[in-house]
Amino acid sequence: GAVVSQHPSWVICKSGTSVKIECRSLDFQATTMFWYRQFPKQSLMLMATSNEGSKATYEQGVEKDKFLINHASLTLSTLTVTSAHPEDSSFYICSVSWGAAEAFFGQGTRLTVV
Amino acid sequence: GNSVTQMEGPVTLSEEAFLTINCTYTATGYPSLFWYVQYPGEGLQLLLKATKADDKGSNKGFEATYRKETTSFHLEKGSVQVSDSAVYFCALNNNNDMRFGAGTRLTVKP
Repeated sequence: GAVVSQHPSWVICKSGTSVKIECRSLDFQATTMFWYRQFPKQSLMLMATSNEGSKATYEQGVEKDKFLINHASLTLSTLTVTSAHPEDSSFYICSVSWGAAEAFFGQGTRLTVV
Repeated sequence: GNSVTQMEGPVTLSEEAFLTINCTYTATGYPSLFWYVQYPGEGLQLLLKATKADDKGSNKGFEATYRKETTSFHLEKGSVQVSDSAVYFCALNNNNDMRFGAGTRLTVKP
């Protein structure tokens, strides 16, 4: 199956700064990648669908100007949390899937904003 | 639209007990169904899957059968271990529309 690598696995940043999270599909060319957010003891919340070479599709209620997604190549999508605040602290996970197959997940990024 | 409803937790069991976590779904067409497991601080790992009606997915002693007549995909294990403690997510994929249940936290005590 596809191997998905996410980096960094954890990051601490100061309030007001921006943080970039990378998601790489190591052995599969992914035209679509997905970004999720997970609060403690809660399920995954789909934030956006990242489309290679075009704009991401954001779920309702997700601020596109705050969570910038770039999918410049078939193997890399990035999520940038801009002007981060403590309420943005969360676990962010990316995934790759296609058709009706299973999704392959990155290991997740724990973001803490202080 | 597509959605997954999963039994709420948390679930606490003693070692060697029988486990059932209920999952039902709503979808048009013929989705693929999955169970994922998440250990603390990690991403999700595929536990098992079924791609058509009456398929049984199995792995590590866990089983789930794709029941189209009841739109269900319940997860079962005959004898749980402490190492099975994790959060379990039921999911479906319907033409690249992936949906997850709320997750069920399982704690197995020795």
